[in-house]
Amino acid sequence: KQEVTQIPAALSVPEGENLVLNCSFTDSAIYNLQWFRQDPGKGLTSLLLIQSSQREQTSGRLNASLDKSSGRSTLYIAASQPGDSATYLCAVRPRNYGQNFVFGPGTRLSVLP
Amino acid sequence: EAQVTQNPRYLITVTGKKLTVTCSQNMNHEYMSWYRQDPGLGLRQIYYSMNVEVTDKGDVPEGYKVSRKEKRNFPLILESPSPNQTSLYFCASSFTVNSYNEQFFGPGTRLTVL
Repeated sequence: KQEVTQIPAALSVPEGENLVLNCSFTDSAIYNLQWFRQDPGKGLTSLLLIQSSQREQTSGRLNASLDKSSGRSTLYIAASQPGDSATYLCAVRPRNYGQNFVFGPGTRLSVLP
Repeated sequence: EAQVTQNPRYLITVTGKKLTVTCSQNMNHEYMSWYRQDPGLGLRQIYYSMNVEVTDKGDVPEGYKVSRKEKRNFPLILESPSPNQTSLYFCASSFTVNSYNEQFFGPGTRLTVL
């Protein structure tokens, strides 16, 4: 069964730092991987979608990479800002387990002014 | 504005009192699904629908029902709610289930069952 993990569980950095969030999945048979942002008690905002055939996607200060063979994705945030503080979730769409999305537990990011 | 809407946003109820949480999308999406989010357990899929009149169980379907009579609506029904169904619920949609389509999420419904 597909499992998704995220490291670290929580991260606190000073404003301006570049940082990397990690996502790992156990089965490389996926359709895509999606990164989300969630503010406390709020809904999920889609940040980036990487299709299984792609290696990376970029949006502004965000860059997400995908290494399907090793079951890893990273989300790179450049020049972090206090407004980036949120929980970041990755989710994969497995090929082998019906049409379910599988989410990781998230990384809680705090960017200190 | 393209969006997924859920109602109500907050609900406190008592054990056994049937309730329905509505979900609607205005993007003509075929695929819709429901998730629950619990501390320490993350987001788990309850039910999903690939199109009108086509629904299937996710990872945690016990105690829930869904229907898909129209493309835009996908209500979640709790026939006899219990305290372990206290959770934050999200509805989501996407065009289809192929690899090119991202999921869009509603704002969430916080349900408390006493």
